Amino acid sequence: AQKVTQAQTEISVVEKEDVTLDCVYETRDTTYYLFWYKQPPSGELVFLIRRNSFDEQNEISGRYSWNFQKSTSSFNFTITASQVVDSAVYFCALKGGGATNKLIFGTGTLLAVQP
Amino acid sequence: DTGVSQDPRHKITKRGQNVTFRCDPISEHNRLYWYRQTLGQGPEFLTYFQNEAQLEKSRLLSDRFSAERPKGSFSTLEIQRTEQGDSAMYLCASSRTSYNEQFFGPGTRLTVL
Repeated sequence: AQKVTQAQTEISVVEKEDVTLDCVYETRDTTYYLFWYKQPPSGELVFLIRRNSFDEQNEISGRYSWNFQKSTSSFNFTITASQVVDSAVYFCALKGGGATNKLIFGTGTLLAVQP
Repeated sequence: DTGVSQDPRHKITKRGQNVTFRCDPISEHNRLYWYRQTLGQGPEFLTYFQNEAQLEKSRLLSDRFSAERPKGSFSTLEIQRTEQGDSAMYLCASSRTSYNEQFFGPGTRLTVL
C-alpha cells in the first residue's frame, strides 16, 4: 500500500522564523515521485517541487529547501525566514512508479505565519 | 501558458439532481485527472484520462459518477442523483506526461442541500 503521512496538522510561527514541514511516505515501488503543493486561502493548488526516487540531492529554491532521505522515507520542506504570504496548507504527495497515475496526498499541514 | 480552467466555480444543488462540471486542461497536456477534496483532507483521486481514453478509475467513483473526454481536450464530470455526501471541491489537473507534475485548476465547489 502507498501512503503519505503529514503528522503536523497545524504550525504557527512568527514572521522571519524558519519552519520545517514533515512528510513521511510508504511505498514498495523502487521508482517513485514525490511532490509538494501549496494551497493558499484562495483554494488553488500550486505546484512547488517534484523529486524522483533516484535523485536524493537536496534542493534549494530561494527561501524554500527540501530534504529527501530514502533511508527514513522522508521528504521534508523548510521555509527560511517565513513571511505572512507563506500562510497556506501544504500538501506532500506521492506517485508510484507502476501503472497507476494518481497522486496520493497527505492530509496537509496548515501553516500560519503571524506578523 | 494558460492554466487549467474549471466551470462552474461554485454549484449549489438539491439532493437528487444531476450536475455536470467542465475542465479545460493546459493545451499541450494530454493527461487529465479528476480529484475530490473534502474539508481538512488532501485531494483524493477519482479518474485519469490519456487523450480521450479513460485509463484509471478509483473505487470512489461510484455508478452515479461518469467522466468523459470526448475529443481528448476538455473533460466533463457528471454526478447523477446527487447526495449530501457528494458535497466537496472537485479538482481537475493536467500534465504533460505521467511522470511530470500535475497542474491543478481552481476547482468546482459543490454543495448539495
